[in-house]
Amino acid sequence: AQSVTQLGSHVSVSEGALVLLRCNYSSSVPPYLFWYVQYPNQGLQLLLKYTSAATLVKGINGFEAEFKKSETSFHLTKPSAHMSDAAEYFCAVSDRGGGNKLTFGTGTQLKVEL
Amino acid sequence: DAMVIQNPRYQVTQFGKPVTLSCSQTLNHNVMYWYQQKSSQAPKLLFHYYDKDFNNEADTPDNFQSRRPNTSFCFLDIRSPGLGDAAMYLCATSPPSGGSYEQYFGPGTRLTVT
Repeated sequence: AQSVTQLGSHVSVSEGALVLLRCNYSSSVPPYLFWYVQYPNQGLQLLLKYTSAATLVKGINGFEAEFKKSETSFHLTKPSAHMSDAAEYFCAVSDRGGGNKLTFGTGTQLKVEL
Repeated sequence: DAMVIQNPRYQVTQFGKPVTLSCSQTLNHNVMYWYQQKSSQAPKLLFHYYDKDFNNEADTPDNFQSRRPNTSFCFLDIRSPGLGDAAMYLCATSPPSGGSYEQYFGPGTRLTVT
């Protein structure tokens, strides 16, 4: 069985500061991991994914994440926050079945302040 | 542009009055999903279709049903909505792949039960 833990349900940063959103996973098989972003009253949009190629994954909007097997982590970072980054962020792990079912973390609400 | 479309975006129904939410896709993906997302929570998978094969999650209430008449369309029927069914309902699609592909989400339908 797979599970994801996101530490910090709310994170607040200043505009221009580093963004770090934490995700730890548990998986009985080598994991496929995803970060999604959700803006208010919208669906989820893929930021990036790890599928066992390079451990440092670059995504859209300047975000990246590093897969660390020893730490069972897949933290999301962005060097410089922008006001438009304010949103809810979900980490997810795939069951690696043909149906591509995902198990989501509980989400982190990112607030960006001037 | 290939996409996942959900109609309506906002739906109001009365307690106990059946309601149907619709989803269509132009991605030609085999797998379609329905999620329920309550405020400040992660999406919760209700069921998914792998082609015509219906897969119900164990904890999905019997009040929720689904139909997939063809590859492009999928419907969520709530037979007797209760106040606790007020939520955002998200449709998503994916190609079958053993987990390496992401899910593509529609914008969601926000259901209000009065």
